[in-house]
Amino acid sequence: AQSVSQHNHHVILSEAASLELGCNYSYGGTVNLFWYVQYPGQHLQLLLKYFSGDPLVKGIKGFEAEFIKSKFSFNLRKPSVQWSDTAEYFCAVNGGTGRRALTFGSGTRLQVQP
Amino acid sequence: DAGVIQSPRHEVTEMGQEVTLRCKPISGHDYLFWYRQTMMRGLELLIYFNNNVPIDDSGMPEDRFSAKMPNASFSTLKIQPSEPRDSAVYFCASSLVKYGGQETQYFGPGTRLLVL
Repeated sequence: AQSVSQHNHHVILSEAASLELGCNYSYGGTVNLFWYVQYPGQHLQLLLKYFSGDPLVKGIKGFEAEFIKSKFSFNLRKPSVQWSDTAEYFCAVNGGTGRRALTFGSGTRLQVQP
Repeated sequence: DAGVIQSPRHEVTEMGQEVTLRCKPISGHDYLFWYRQTMMRGLELLIYFNNNVPIDDSGMPEDRFSAKMPNASFSTLKIQPSEPRDSAVYFCASSLVKYGGQETQYFGPGTRLLVL
């Protein structure tokens, strides 16, 4: 069965600090990888996705993520966070040609202090 | 496109009552998913459909939950009878699977259910 681990449950940063959120998954086959963001009281919005090709993917709002196959990781990064990035971030995976449902990590709550 | 539409946005009901959640997927999408979000269990799949046919309902908690998709533009999730432990945010998502299995799921705003 697929599983996704997000090691940071709650991260507090000051504005302009750099961000890296960890995500590791377990799945033996081809995978699609995603990061979603959930602002307070809102629905999930896609930040970025990886299907194949260049392992460094860029998303919206200056976020990027790197897929490292050997480490089963898909960490999210942003060089300089803003107060408006305060939200919960979810890593998710599904099988590329198999089960379609997303398996989510437990989420990381990011709090950016002005 | 209006995105995935869910109704109602908020529902407060009493234990034992029937609850029906509704979802309209993005036009042209061939997959529809129902997820539930709780503090204890996070985001978890309940059921998903492909071309209106249920494919995987392994996440449906018990017989009190049922889901239907009578056509490509509408799905319902019903809880009967409802219990306080069903209180959660229920999200509907839809996607279009492309060649090679690539897809992106787009989520609706969710229905926040409180069962008293």
